[in-house]
Amino acid sequence: NAGVTQTPKFRVLKTGQSMTLLCAQDMNHEYMYWYRQDPGMGLRLIHYSVGEGTTAKGEVPDGYNVSRLKKQNFLLGLESAAPSQTSVYFCASSYIGLAGLTGELFFGEGSRLTVL
Amino acid sequence: AQTVTQSQPEMSVQEAETVTLSCTYDTSENNYYLFWYKQPPSRQMILVIRQEAYKQQNATENRFSVNFQKAAKSFSLKISDSQLGDTAMYFCAFMKRTSGGGADGLTFGKGTHLIIQP
Repeated sequence: NAGVTQTPKFRVLKTGQSMTLLCAQDMNHEYMYWYRQDPGMGLRLIHYSVGEGTTAKGEVPDGYNVSRLKKQNFLLGLESAAPSQTSVYFCASSYIGLAGLTGELFFGEGSRLTVL
Repeated sequence: AQTVTQSQPEMSVQEAETVTLSCTYDTSENNYYLFWYKQPPSRQMILVIRQEAYKQQNATENRFSVNFQKAAKSFSLKISDSQLGDTAMYFCAFMKRTSGGGADGLTFGKGTHLIIQP
């Protein structure tokens, strides 16, 4: 019962390098989200997707790109990493129940990214 | 846009005591959900309790209960008989309930670090 799986769990980058975080969920959820968590800031939404092939910007989208080519996967890309992107990144998913959106998000374990 | 405010950055209580965490929010929406999530040192985000705005009855889950005051836009969490395992960051969160099933995720407060002392 994997739930939401994030890869990698830890990564160190140099300024200007690129990388992709992979999020995979096996619950057939329609919606997927990428958040970043910084000390004293809570979690802030970067991008989200309401279905395969769709993406939308959240609160802090600058410097990130996303893709949802398959329903179960949601990729977060950093094209040119900056020290300000040092953070813990969380992927989450949610589903529509019989009575509509349930509201509950299922989170991955987080990925700690350090940009030097 | 919605905002969620948690005014207590850190709280500390003795084991077995009751503690209340505060949360206020600002929205023009009428249909929404409110949540409390717990984040222990393991970093995993765990749903503690959920409240639907149209329900007047306060949600309860074992030792956890909320005091939902819609008019005041207040959503506090009460933890009874606190345990050492309750030590964690607690986040209050808001989600609007849009028509057609769409949703743009949760808006989180900045969190309250709760420490349960033995």
